[in-house]
Amino acid sequence: KNQVEQSPQSLIILEGKNCTLQCNYTVSPFSNLRWYKQDTGRGPVSLTIMTFSENTKSNGRYTATLDADTKQSSLHITASQLSDSASYICVVTPGEGYGNKLVFGAGTILRVKS
Amino acid sequence: EAQVTQNPRYLITVTGKKLTVTCSQNMNHEYMSWYRQDPGLGLRQIYYSMNVEVTDKGDVPEGYKVSRKEKRNFPLILESPSPNQTSLYFCASSLLGSRWDTQYFGPGTRLTVL
Repeated sequence: KNQVEQSPQSLIILEGKNCTLQCNYTVSPFSNLRWYKQDTGRGPVSLTIMTFSENTKSNGRYTATLDADTKQSSLHITASQLSDSASYICVVTPGEGYGNKLVFGAGTILRVKS
Repeated sequence: EAQVTQNPRYLITVTGKKLTVTCSQNMNHEYMSWYRQDPGLGLRQIYYSMNVEVTDKGDVPEGYKVSRKEKRNFPLILESPSPNQTSLYFCASSLLGSRWDTQYFGPGTRLTVL
């Protein structure tokens, strides 16, 4: 069964600190992996997208990594800001011939404290 | 501004009282979809539409109906709501619904069924 598991479930860090969120998936074959940011009371917004051949993708202070061999991805946030407080969702798209239905992780809730 | 809008944003209703949640996008997207989000679970797809008059079931379609009479609108209908449909609902759209398209999400509708 195609699954996406994220850890930790929640995380509290101090403003200015770095953090790393984890995503493990069993989706196979695999087409691409996205990280979404979901602010409280809003819909998810795409941060990055990576294909199986990409190891790293950056978007400002957000850097996503992917290891397609071990089926793991991480999202690293540098120099966190209060506005980074949100839920971060890992989303995997199955490969060609296996439908376009996205497989969503449950998300990691990040709280940045001052 | 390119966006997906949903109405209402909040709704409290009683069991069995039919309701409709509207969704509209102004990006001329072919693909639209409805998801529900429950605590501890990833987003789950209810229904999706690849184009006008073309709709298909997602992973959790029971108790829901949709229609796509115009490209921009994709309403979600609950004919006889039950308490287990209490959830946060998101509408999303993408250009063509391909595995490479970014989905744009609406702000969400929080539904409580008493």
